[in-house]
Amino acid sequence: SYELSQPSSVSVSPGQTADISCAGDKLGDKFTSWYQHRPGQSPVLVIYQDSKRPSGVPERFSGSNSGNTATLTISGTQAMDEADYYCQAWDTSTPVVFGGGTKLTVL
Amino acid sequence: QLLLQDSGPGLVKPSETLSLNCSVSGGSISHKSYYWGWIRQSPGKGLEWIGSLYSSGNTYYKSSLKSRVTISVDTSKNHFSLRLSSVTAADTAVYYCARGVMVTRNFDSWGQGSLATVSS
Repeated sequence: SYELSQPSSVSVSPGQTADISCAGDKLGDKFTSWYQHRPGQSPVLVIYQDSKRPSGVPERFSGSNSGNTATLTISGTQAMDEADYYCQAWDTSTPVVFGGGTKLTVL
Repeated sequence: QLLLQDSGPGLVKPSETLSLNCSVSGGSISHKSYYWGWIRQSPGKGLEWIGSLYSSGNTYYKSSLKSRVTISVDTSKNHFSLRLSSVTAADTAVYYCARGVMVTRNFDSWGQGSLATVSS
C-alpha cells in the first residue's frame, strides 16, 4: 500500500518561513493536498492540487510537489498557524492516504 | 453553505457495532462531483482514512478495516452512515465525516467530529 512520510515536528519563529515536507514514492506524479488541524476543531483544507489555495485561506500558505516530495510552505508564520498539518494523496492502490502529521510550533 | 453533522452513540461496548450518521445539508449527497468519506483520529495519533462512498454506489475501505466496515447512503434523507463491527478499545477515536471532490481528490468540507469511546 502507498505511504506518506512527514517529520513529526517543525519549529519556527514568528514572522519566519516554515517548510513542512511530505515524502512518497513518485509523489510528484500525484495530486497532494494539505490540511490544518487545530486541537478540538475539524481539519481544514489549506492546499489542494499541490499548490492551489481554497477561498479564505491566507496567501502565506503555498505548496509545491516534485519528484518524491511535496512541501507546504507558510511564509511570515503567525502564532495562529500553530497546529498539526497533514498531507494527503491518492493512489490507485489506496484511494486516500494521509501522512502521519507534523506538529508546527511557533515560538 | 454545505454543512455536515455527524452523530453517534458516544459509548460502545467491546465486540459491539459502532454506528455513526452524517447528515448533509446545503447540497445533494447524490451530486456526481463529490464523494463521501469517514476519517478518524485516535487519541494521540494522526488522521486515519476509514473509507469512501462514491455516487456510483462503489465503496472503498482501508484494507486493515475492510472486514469490519460498511459505509452506506440514504439519499432520501441526504445522509450517509458508518458501521464498524466487533469494536475494541483501539477503535476509540474522534470520527469525522467529510465531502471529497472527485476532480482534485481531497476533502473540502468536514463534519465537527463525533467521539466514540469503546468501553464496558
